[in-house]
Amino acid sequence: EVQLLESGGGLIQPGGSLRLSCAASGFLFNTYAMSWVRQAPGKGLEWVSTSSESGDGTSYADSVKGRFTISRDNSKKTLYLQMNSLRREDTAVYYCAKPEGAYPTLFDSWGQGTLVTVSS
Amino acid sequence: QSALTQPPSASGTPGQMVNISCSGSSSNIGNTYVYWYYQIPGTAPKLLIYRNNQRPSGVPDRISASKSGTSASLVIGGLRSDDEANYYCASWDDSLSGPVFGGGTKVTVL
Repeated sequence: EVQLLESGGGLIQPGGSLRLSCAASGFLFNTYAMSWVRQAPGKGLEWVSTSSESGDGTSYADSVKGRFTISRDNSKKTLYLQMNSLRREDTAVYYCAKPEGAYPTLFDSWGQGTLVTVSS
Repeated sequence: QSALTQPPSASGTPGQMVNISCSGSSSNIGNTYVYWYYQIPGTAPKLLIYRNNQRPSGVPDRISASKSGTSASLVIGGLRSDDEANYYCASWDDSLSGPVFGGGTKVTVL
């Protein structure tokens, strides 16, 4: 059974940094590109970033480009999201998501999410 | 404003059918697969339909979907009270080089 477990969320002041983690199990982690998707309170889903299977290739939404960095450690089966220069509009539940197949398929499994609140 | 356009709400009485539309463009729906997700507020999204019209195991056949050109639709037949949730369409977008989502449709069972 696929399991994705996010951690690292919390309350952070504007301009601060936070690192999210997503521990994966139940599938061959190093054979899937992995993504972060967020959802602001009461809003819809927004793609944030994707890492290729090896981690060599990354892509970002314009809203986070230059501030967020996605990475992965395949030996630990863990995906990361380093978030710098946080803004109030980054407040959201952040989900880790696994695609159902190779590029450009979308997600068949999601973690339970971790809440990031950017506020002074 | 979402890249994919969905109606904000839809409703029906138990046993009725509900149809949710999703409109995109040639850079997303018109060029690749459509996915549908189901989300109860406070919980993670769950996959309902993948690759335009395929149901994962466990999704009943009263749930169906189709795609035509740059639009797609989800049909929920035999509406039940536990169908009350938010429904999102999604597709890969070549212009964005990433996935795009619809704004979500809240389904209410009257």
